[in-house]
Amino acid sequence: NAGVTQTPKFQVLKTGQSMTLQCAQDMNHNSMYWYRQDPGMGLRLIYYSASEGTTDKGEVPNGYNVSRLNKREFSLRLESAAPSQTSVYFCASSEMTAPTFGSGTRLTVV
Amino acid sequence: ILNVEQSPQSLHVQEGDSTNFTCSFPSSNFYALHWYRWKTAKSPEALFVMTLNGDEKKKGRISATLNTKEGYSYLYIKGSQPEDSATYLCAFNTNAGKSTFGDGTTLTVKP
Repeated sequence: NAGVTQTPKFQVLKTGQSMTLQCAQDMNHNSMYWYRQDPGMGLRLIYYSASEGTTDKGEVPNGYNVSRLNKREFSLRLESAAPSQTSVYFCASSEMTAPTFGSGTRLTVV
Repeated sequence: ILNVEQSPQSLHVQEGDSTNFTCSFPSSNFYALHWYRWKTAKSPEALFVMTLNGDEKKKGRISATLNTKEGYSYLYIKGSQPEDSATYLCAFNTNAGKSTFGDGTTLTVKP
């Protein structure tokens, strides 16, 4: 029972590079989320997907794009990474319950 | 934008002290209130899901209460231990399904 799986766990990018963070859940949840966590700022919602085929911006969407590929997968893309995007990224999913979180991706942009 | 507020922002207590913190949320369109414990370098771990006004939940030394009419929940820790040191998050769900998190209360328990 894997729950929410995020890859990669760690990544270092150079400014201007692009990358995609992958997230998959095996709990048949409709809702999926991408958050970033910065020191002293709690969890900030980047994007949210209520169901397959729908996505909505959260508090801090600038510089990111998302794809809800199917019910299981919700990916987050950085087209041109900036040092301000250095953070820990969490994917989560839920079905009218407490969201279940992945283990996080620690991203450093140099 | 839904406003979920937690207080205090941080708390330092001695081992053995009891403590409590607050989560305030909108009282309209309430569906559920979740409490999480988030330890450093880990993912948030769900503690309680609360859905009914007047709900009280307990897990060991940790308990929580819920007042949906006035829009607040309290989390209590009895006899704090160093391993309770963590950030405690609350998350509010409307009946539309989306979760909105507070910024958390960071608890440090000194031996």
